[in-house]
Amino acid sequence: EAGVAQSPRYKIIEKRQSVAFWCNPISGHATLYWYQQILGQGPKLLIQFQNNGVVDDSQLPKDRFSAERLKGVDSTLKIQPAKLEDSAVYLCASSPRGALSGNTIYFGEGSWLTVV
Amino acid sequence: KNEVEQSPQNLTAQEGEFITINCSYSVGISALHWLQQHPGGGIVSLFMLSSGKKKHGRLIATINIQEKHSSLHITASHPRDSAVYICAVSGYGGSQGNLIFGKGTKLSVKP
Repeated sequence: EAGVAQSPRYKIIEKRQSVAFWCNPISGHATLYWYQQILGQGPKLLIQFQNNGVVDDSQLPKDRFSAERLKGVDSTLKIQPAKLEDSAVYLCASSPRGALSGNTIYFGEGSWLTVV
Repeated sequence: KNEVEQSPQNLTAQEGEFITINCSYSVGISALHWLQQHPGGGIVSLFMLSSGKKKHGRLIATINIQEKHSSLHITASHPRDSAVYICAVSGYGGSQGNLIFGKGTKLSVKP
């Protein structure tokens, strides 16, 4: 079974530029998550989709971050304009329905962003 | 105080040693996850627990709901076990994906 696919793996941009990350979840998984993991910290949920609807985006900095999952399958996370503090690993994850008992979350390998 | 606390933060062991990583949490949970993150790599889910004990190969995870505590054990440790081990809980209410993560335990197993 193919895992969660993310691209690009690595990106270096200057501050105030824009960047987009792509995620393709495991086939059939209704729930898709984007996490931000700053070096030395645990991941922080940015946004959770259930199919193509947003379940939780309370921690998404909406002035600069946006995400979409138009057809309920793959998803794009965009940052515009980027700030130095956005340097982090952006992890995409999916699960069949949600992180309740019986629903393991599967993580991608992450997209590493460095803002200079 | 963090809602999920892990100990130790760093752990160095010799190959073959028995390793224990601890996780304590202060919120009500529906499940607890043990995750493994290799340098430069993504996160792999090792276990998801809501009660009792689970075993997979040389890895054992236990949880005590009353004490709000979980442990991850590695028997006969090997250098390839070197990674960051993260405890995360999914609480009641809110979004199901809003896992609360511990800061991780960095394990280094020396040959």
